[in-house]
Amino acid sequence: QKEVEQDPGPLSVPEGAIVSLNCTYSNSAFQYFMWYRQYSRKGPELLMYTYSSGNKEDGRFTAQVDKSSKYISLFIRDSQPSDSATYLCAMILAYSGAGSYQLTFGKGTKLSVIP
Amino acid sequence: EADIYQTPRYLVIGTGKKITLECSQTMGHDKMYWYQQDPGMELHLIHYSYGVNSTEKGDLSSESTVSRIRTEHFPLTLESARPSHTSQYLCASSRVTGIFGNEQFFGPGTRLTVL
Repeated sequence: QKEVEQDPGPLSVPEGAIVSLNCTYSNSAFQYFMWYRQYSRKGPELLMYTYSSGNKEDGRFTAQVDKSSKYISLFIRDSQPSDSATYLCAMILAYSGAGSYQLTFGKGTKLSVIP
Repeated sequence: EADIYQTPRYLVIGTGKKITLECSQTMGHDKMYWYQQDPGMELHLIHYSYGVNSTEKGDLSSESTVSRIRTEHFPLTLESARPSHTSQYLCASSRVTGIFGNEQFFGPGTRLTVL
C-alpha cells in the first residue's frame, strides 16, 4: 500500500462547478499537508498548506484535513478554465536533518474545466 | 513566479552519453532538491543539498550524481545515459528551516529522453 493515495483522474467539470480533490494516507505520522498545482510543462507551485484538522480557506480554494480518517481534500469553488492543471497533494513526514523535511507526494489529479 | 531555472528544457540523447542537467536559483536558498517525475506517477526525491558542499541521496535510488559548489547552482549528472533514465527531472529549492513554511519552489523541469 502506498503511503499516499490520490485518484489520478482525469476529472472534467464545467466552468463554475465546485471541484473536490482528495488524498488518503496510511501513516498517521504525517503532520503537515500541502496542495501543489502543476500546469502542463511547468513545475509544481504551492497552493495551500495546513497542519491541523479542519478547514483553511484562501479565495476560491479550501483545504480540508481529517486526521482521524487520514483524509485530505481540496475544494475549488466557481472553477475556471484557468484552474485546468494537475493537482498534487504532498505531506511531510520525515525529518532529513539541517531543518529539512522531506515531502511525500500523491500521483496528482488532472483537472480540466470546460468553458 | 519563482526564480529557479533549469536547462535544457528538453533533451533527446543516445544511450551511453554523459549529460548534465543544470539548475540555478537566484533566491539565495540554502536547500535544493532534485525530483524525478514520470507521467501519472508521484514525484520522487533523488538528491538534496543543505548547502554548499552538502549532498545527500533521496528516497529513490538513482544512478545520477549531483554537486553543490555554489549556493545558487545544483547540477545533476548522468555519466552514461540509458533508456531507463527517460523521465522528467524537476529541481526545487527552499529557504525556511523547520516544518512550518517549508515551501519548495520548483523549476520548470527538464524532460529527458534517452534513445
